[in-house]
Amino acid sequence: RKEVEQDPGPFNVPEGATVAFNCTYSNSASQSFFWYRQDCRKEPKLLMSVYSSGNEDGRFTAQLNRASQYISLLIRDSKLSDSATYLCVVNRAGGFKTIFGAGTRLFVKA
Amino acid sequence: DTGVSQDPRHKITKRGQNVTFRCDPISEHNRLYWYRQTLGQGPEFLTYFQNEAQLEKSRLLSDRFSAERPKGSFSTLEIQRTEQGDSAMYLCASSPLTASSGNTIYFGEGSWLTVV
Repeated sequence: RKEVEQDPGPFNVPEGATVAFNCTYSNSASQSFFWYRQDCRKEPKLLMSVYSSGNEDGRFTAQLNRASQYISLLIRDSKLSDSATYLCVVNRAGGFKTIFGAGTRLFVKA
Repeated sequence: DTGVSQDPRHKITKRGQNVTFRCDPISEHNRLYWYRQTLGQGPEFLTYFQNEAQLEKSRLLSDRFSAERPKGSFSTLEIQRTEQGDSAMYLCASSPLTASSGNTIYFGEGSWLTVV
């Protein structure tokens, strides 16, 4: 079993739709959590950190459920420019080893 | 540009040749990482440095792979006797050694390796 698992998708949604991605992680001692965005043939870039209390950044909302060991990302009012791969990222206890999921592919269509 | 810098960006090599990639992290970052990414997969952890010390190596890093960070600044990743299965994007990343960062890591643009 992979340490970080995501639904690979692809998710095909129309502009303006709301879409949610989930991610599960297996190491209960994991310490910090992130969502990264990766465009085709580009490097991953930090989208947002994920906090236990949940956090929002514009149209993006991230949630963490430590008891169930899952992380979610909600994108509201999808834009064409949101089309990308979204990587769920978990940082192990001890602070330095950062593990990436395989990514969820999103296509937003006009 | 003060981001993570990688060189070369693209490398095509014949099977059996050695290749070396260089990474210059963000200047104030103590932590440096190497990842490998193939099509349809997320980045896979290869190794991690804190300053000049290599603190962890993945099982993915076979004997043909070696990484160094001799002065705690730039790092090199060498692959000896390349195989076609080594074809991938090699990503370098860095992060600061501060609790407040939550270990957010910042990637370079990657070095694409094609072994023919």
